[in-house]
Amino acid sequence: SQTIHQWPATLVQPVGSPLSLECTVEGTSNPNLYWYRQAAGRGLQLLFYSVGIGQISSEVPQNLSASRPQDRQFILSSKKLLLSDSGFYLCAWSVLLADPRKYFGPGTRLTVL
Amino acid sequence: AQKITQTQPGMFVQEKEAVTLDCTYDTSDPSYGLFWYKQPSSGEMIFLIYQGSYDQQNATEGRYSLNFQKARKSANLVISASQLGDSAMYFCAMREGGSEKLVFGKGTKLTVNP
Repeated sequence: SQTIHQWPATLVQPVGSPLSLECTVEGTSNPNLYWYRQAAGRGLQLLFYSVGIGQISSEVPQNLSASRPQDRQFILSSKKLLLSDSGFYLCAWSVLLADPRKYFGPGTRLTVL
Repeated sequence: AQKITQTQPGMFVQEKEAVTLDCTYDTSDPSYGLFWYKQPSSGEMIFLIYQGSYDQQNATEGRYSLNFQKARKSANLVISASQLGDSAMYFCAMREGGSEKLVFGKGTKLTVNP
């Protein structure tokens, strides 16, 4: 069965510090991978998605970036965090064509102070 | 304009009763998919049910069913025989055509009372 991991689970960072959130998927090959952000009391917003290694599509302009160094690894980064980057970050995967559903990881709660 | 509208910020239901969570959507694409996710207090998003725009029958998954009314552009989630563990946030979402983007509504907080 497929499993998706995210770490860390929680993170408190000062404004201006760098960020690296990692997501890995097990049990599937060539998944589509996604980063979503959920601000407090709101729905999810798609940040990035990737259909393959090194292929990144950005949905929202911001100071965040994403990379996919391996087939089942998706990384969300920032060089300098802003207060507005606080939120709940969820990684998700799906298999295009075979299954339109998306499966989410446990999430990372980021607080920028 | 909002693509997904969930008009009920909060809903309450008695244990063992059925409840309907509303969702309306807006799209001009004839091919789209509608999703419902559950988010308990732990934060994870749990896929519940999917309805494709060309599906002839309403989707069902155990106690969950999707009341799909295409002409009205509504995709309400019906939970039968509510359980205490159903208390959570529920999000409706849509994917249009070949897009990879899932657009989410703002969610409905469901509370199941004993």
